Amino acid sequence: GQNIDQPTEMTATEGAIVQINCTYQTSGFNGLFWYQQHAGEAPTFLSYNVLDGLEEKGRFSSFLSRSKGYSYLLLKELQMKDSASYLCAVQDSNYQLIWGAGTKLIIKP
Amino acid sequence: ETGVTQTPRHLVMGMTNKKSLKCEQHLGHNAMYWYKQSAKKPLELMFVYNFKEQTENNSVPSRFSPECPNSSHLFLHLHTLQPEDSALYLCASSLDGGSSGANVLTFGAGSRLTVL
Repeated sequence: GQNIDQPTEMTATEGAIVQINCTYQTSGFNGLFWYQQHAGEAPTFLSYNVLDGLEEKGRFSSFLSRSKGYSYLLLKELQMKDSASYLCAVQDSNYQLIWGAGTKLIIKP
Repeated sequence: ETGVTQTPRHLVMGMTNKKSLKCEQHLGHNAMYWYKQSAKKPLELMFVYNFKEQTENNSVPSRFSPECPNSSHLFLHLHTLQPEDSALYLCASSLDGGSSGANVLTFGAGSRLTVL
């Protein structure tokens, strides 16, 4: 079967750095997405990785290793507004999106 | 404003009621989706419409009935629901159905459904 694993919940301190991991086992691979979802709001697109390596976008970076079936989302200089759920999703060989259950990130002052 | 608008934001209904959820986008997208989001579970894809044609129906019970009258509007008609259907129902759209490249979804804020 197809599976995406990510931690259920993480806690970090304002101003610090946090890494949210995502591992996947899917039927083929056509890219990995990260979305951010604040409580009661729509998920919003953060990043897309299809080649190995690190993609940096401001305070957020996303890394992909296809050989290891592994990605992480790195958030730097954490702010209180970064408290949200972070969803990992993989496009499989049929371009179907396989979703993880999300990681709830709690930022403490 | 995300570009995808869902109404109502909250809905409480009994098991014998009939109600509808509405989704609207004016992003020029040609694909629209219904997802079910339950606490601590992955998003569950329910239906996909690509250029107004239904292309996915992921074994969804017939008590959920989608309708896509045009590429900007999507409805989910609900009847004789069960308490386990209580969840957040998310609508999303994308440029096309996703057969190449990054199929980035734009989501609405969801309709929180409670079935009593």
